[in-house]
Order: sequence, then C-alpha cells, then structure tokens
Amino acid sequence: NAGVTQTPKFQVLKTGQSMTLQCAQDMNHEYMSWYRQDPGMGLRLIHYSVGAGITDQGEVPNGYNVSRSTTEDFPLRLLSAAPSQTSVYFCASSRVGDTQYFGPGTRLTVL
Amino acid sequence: AQSVTQLGSHVSVSEGALVLLRCNYSSSVPPYLFWYVQYPNQGLQLLLKYTSAATLVKGINGFEAEFKKSETSFHLTKPSAHMSDAAEYFCAVWGGGDKIIFGKGTRLHILP
Repeated sequence: NAGVTQTPKFQVLKTGQSMTLQCAQDMNHEYMSWYRQDPGMGLRLIHYSVGAGITDQGEVPNGYNVSRSTTEDFPLRLLSAAPSQTSVYFCASSRVGDTQYFGPGTRLTVL
Repeated sequence: AQSVTQLGSHVSVSEGALVLLRCNYSSSVPPYLFWYVQYPNQGLQLLLKYTSAATLVKGINGFEAEFKKSETSFHLTKPSAHMSDAAEYFCAVWGGGDKIIFGKGTRLHILP
C-alpha cells in the first residue's frame, strides 16, 4: 500500500512554462484535493474532487487546472507558471468526511 | 457554511509545561473534527479525530482534544510538552459541505 504518491519532489520552472504535478492514491478514496502551502498562509485549497469525472474549485484556483479521469489519479496542471506560484504543493485523499492522507509534497520554484 | 479559526499563529511553551492549542469551528451540521501535525519538510499526518462518539478524544504522542458543542471548540492539549512536539498543528472540520476546511495552523515552539 503506497498511500498517496506525488511526483516530482522538486521542480524549477521558468516563467511561462507549463507542467503537471502528478498525484496518485491506491486506497480507493473518492475525495482528492490539492493544496498549496506558503509561509504564514496555512494550507490553501486549489481544487478538489469528490469522484471520477467531478472536480470543483477551491480557494485559489486561478492558474491551475485539474481533471479526474480515474479514481486513482488527480493531476494538477500549471498552465503558464508565474513566480507567485512558487510554493509547496500537497495532494491528499480520503473518504468523504474521514481522515485525509497527504502526499510528501512537491517543492516548486518559478524563476 | 463551515469554518475553522485557530487562535495564535505561534505558541511557545517550556519543556514539561502544558500545551494548549485553540480551535473554534462553525458548522451547519454536527461536524467531524480533526487535528493534524506537520513536522519540518514533511506532509501532514493525523493526530486525532472526533466523529460524534466520545467527546474527549485521545490521539498519538500523548495529545488529546475535547469537543465542546456549546463553545464550538475543539482545543488540543498535552499535559507535558516534549522537545519533539515542536511542529505546526492544523485543526480541520468536515461540517456538511463537500470539502474539508483547514485552519491557518499554529506553530508550536518548545523552550528548553
């Protein structure tokens, strides 16, 4: 049981580049979410999904896209990277109303 | 609507002293409440959760929290702080919405 996996662990981008952060879980959880964590700002919800084919916006969705074609995978796409997107990104999964399981995080720097 | 407020972004206690981290919530339905801990350069992990059973919930590493409906609170306590408790702590609520809501976090500092 791998839990929640995220790749890559570290990434450096130039302004304007696009990339996809990968997230996968093997616990058959219907709920998956993406957060960004910045100093003093806590966890801010970017996008979430309550099942395959269903996604919704969180608190800070601008500049990010998601899709949920399978229960297991929930990739986060940065369309055109900006320095303001420099952050640590966490993916999490759970049953609705239950304990969130977090991935190890991706540290992203946009130059 | 559901929300979570954590009082104090930083809390300092001496080693061996009582730890008290405050969390207040709002929810339109009986909530599920959680405390998570984050150690440096790691993801969040569950400390304890309340899911409408006993109002006093015991978690890992000697932490516990009490659900008080009349005060809409779920404060986290530990009788005696240890240096290894230094971390960031997050309170969270599932309160009838379709997503979990996290507080802004409280960084706990342990003074020798």
